[in-house]
Amino acid sequence: DIQMTQSPSSLSASVGDRVTITCRASQSINIYLNWYQHKAGKAPKVLIYAASKLQSGVPSRFSGSGSGTDFTLTINSLQPEDSAIYYCQQSYNMRTFGQGTKVEVK
Amino acid sequence: EVQVLESGGGLAQPGGSLRLSCAASGFTFSNYAMSWVRQAGGKGLEWVSGVTGSGRSTYYADSVKGRFTISRDNSKNTLYLQMNSLRVEDTAVYYCAKDNEGGFYGSGSPLDTWGPGALVTVSS
Repeated sequence: DIQMTQSPSSLSASVGDRVTITCRASQSINIYLNWYQHKAGKAPKVLIYAASKLQSGVPSRFSGSGSGTDFTLTINSLQPEDSAIYYCQQSYNMRTFGQGTKVEVK
Repeated sequence: EVQVLESGGGLAQPGGSLRLSCAASGFTFSNYAMSWVRQAGGKGLEWVSGVTGSGRSTYYADSVKGRFTISRDNSKNTLYLQMNSLRVEDTAVYYCAKDNEGGFYGSGSPLDTWGPGALVTVSS
């Protein structure tokens, strides 16, 4: 089974800051990595797919990079509405989620 | 509009059974694999099970293998999750999600449409 490890588990940043979340796979997953935003009481929402492709309708301040085992989600110019838990998920072999990163906007 | 909507959640006793349903609309259901994902209270997302568009191939997380069965009825645009031998640790919100047009290997597509979730509580 492929394990996904995210870091940090939580962070706090100010409006306008640049935030970076990393995700590491236990084996190479090529570019088959997706990022989701999850707010309490709502359905998860896909932000980035295939490591770096921006899902339609998602603000351009969200971006993704990486391949193989190491991936990054970057939020440029953090906004109050970005407070949420962010998950990476591999789609190389079945599906596995990272443990999540809680982002608090000060 | 592409939508999925879960139903069938509720309370079950340990060792009991429940069946979740997921009604899909707005897309050609039979063309897409579908997945179930759950979130236990205060914990992260966990992929539970998936099925290809034809229904011929099914996949499970180790935590539910042998107890849960995923199926679909493409004539009714409906996905199911039969949950047997339920455990307290199966308590969670269960989400139905539209997966990709291929299978479960090397997919470049995300889970792009999710339902609001159905709460399953396993307690005596």
